Amino acid sequence: SQKIEQNSEALNIQEGKTATLTCNYTNYSPAYLQWYRQDPGRGPVFLLLIRENEKEKRKERLKVTFDTTLKQSLFHITASQPADSATYLCALDMFWTGANNLFFGTGTRLTVIP
Amino acid sequence: KAGVTQTPRYLIKTRGQQVTLSCSPISGHRSVSWYQQTPGQGLQFLFEYFSETQRNKGNFPGRFSGRQFSNSRSEMNVSTLELGDSALYLCASSTGQGVDEQYFGPGTRLTVT
Repeated sequence: SQKIEQNSEALNIQEGKTATLTCNYTNYSPAYLQWYRQDPGRGPVFLLLIRENEKEKRKERLKVTFDTTLKQSLFHITASQPADSATYLCALDMFWTGANNLFFGTGTRLTVIP
Repeated sequence: KAGVTQTPRYLIKTRGQQVTLSCSPISGHRSVSWYQQTPGQGLQFLFEYFSETQRNKGNFPGRFSGRQFSNSRSEMNVSTLELGDSALYLCASSTGQGVDEQYFGPGTRLTVT
């Protein structure tokens, strides 16, 4: 079965630095990969989606890369701010099943220190 | 546009009881997916409904069931509750067609004692 690993359970960085989060998966390659942000006590919020034929996607201070050879996605937050502190989840599609559902990693809890 | 709503937000039940959770998707969305989130297992897919039909089901026992109504609202039911069912239950809505981000509700926190 598909397995997703996010590099670390927790990551602390200084304000202004770039945070890099890693998502590795095994087995089949998804058609697309998504990143979500989750704050305590709330549901996840969609951030970015990248397709298998896309190498990189950007949105404001966020950047996602997708390497199907390495079976890895990197998620970058540049010029990080304390407000970026949250848990970040990567999710792979199960689109091949014909349904619209996601297979989530366990998340990385990011803390940006002022 | 109103977001995804879930009721109730918090629930305390006793082992052996059953529970029904409700989810109202974003207007116009026809797909509703349900997830269970626990500290140990993270977010796990339960099932997805699209136009009142279950399209896919995750690896959960038959005690977990759901349904979707013609207005796209969805309910999930857990029968014969076990302590391990204590979790945050999240529903997410989307158009359900093609590549699609999902919009999550705030969740229902279920505690089984």
